[in-house]
Amino acid sequence: SQQGEEDPQALSIQEGENATMNCSYKTSINNLQWYRQNSGRGLVHLILIRSNEREKHSGRLRVTLDTSKKSSSLLITASRAADTASYFCATARTGGSGGSNYKLTFGKGTLLTVNP
Amino acid sequence: GAGVSQSPSNKVTEKGKDVELRCDPISGHTALYWYRQSLGQGLEFLIYFQGNSAPDKSGLPSDRFSAERTGGSVSTLTIQRTQQEDSAVYLCASSLMELASEQFFGPGTRLTVL
Repeated sequence: SQQGEEDPQALSIQEGENATMNCSYKTSINNLQWYRQNSGRGLVHLILIRSNEREKHSGRLRVTLDTSKKSSSLLITASRAADTASYFCATARTGGSGGSNYKLTFGKGTLLTVNP
Repeated sequence: GAGVSQSPSNKVTEKGKDVELRCDPISGHTALYWYRQSLGQGLEFLIYFQGNSAPDKSGLPSDRFSAERTGGSVSTLTIQRTQQEDSAVYLCASSLMELASEQFFGPGTRLTVL
């Protein structure tokens, strides 16, 4: 089953509004990352938050992590038409013996449309 | 410096043919990953290479899929006897470190099997 699941599946807003996307996961993690994908091609890394962090900022992006609820949110403030893309969360599990803590497990993404 | 490159960008093939997809990671990145993304879906992990260690092939969907990484750099993903369900975008990523750090993605190869 998917480790990370984004919510909502699709979001449509007007330019200037804030966009919030959520991600839930099932197992313990080492870190959680958010990626952006334009036009179904390569992904671009946005931000990484470690399991011992609760909030992180990067420009207009704010990410929160609640390990007790196994959830994260990505907030994009003052959205622009150029922010239109799919946004994916990806989780890295905590390691074990021969553990797969190098693997990222991606959700299916949230398609964000920012209307000018 | 250059990012991750992949070739070809698009590949159309007939069912039953073999295809090879190539990935050139960022110089100095020791970890290399292959993913598959079907239309409207998330990324499905296929295989992982790290230095000289044995690759993690646990995500390969069948024995028709194989990959190698020569000299710790360029990687080739080979799909034998392609099927229509193999149609997808195949993405390669590399990273500096093993432990699930930021991954840098190539633009992908869109494979269409007719």
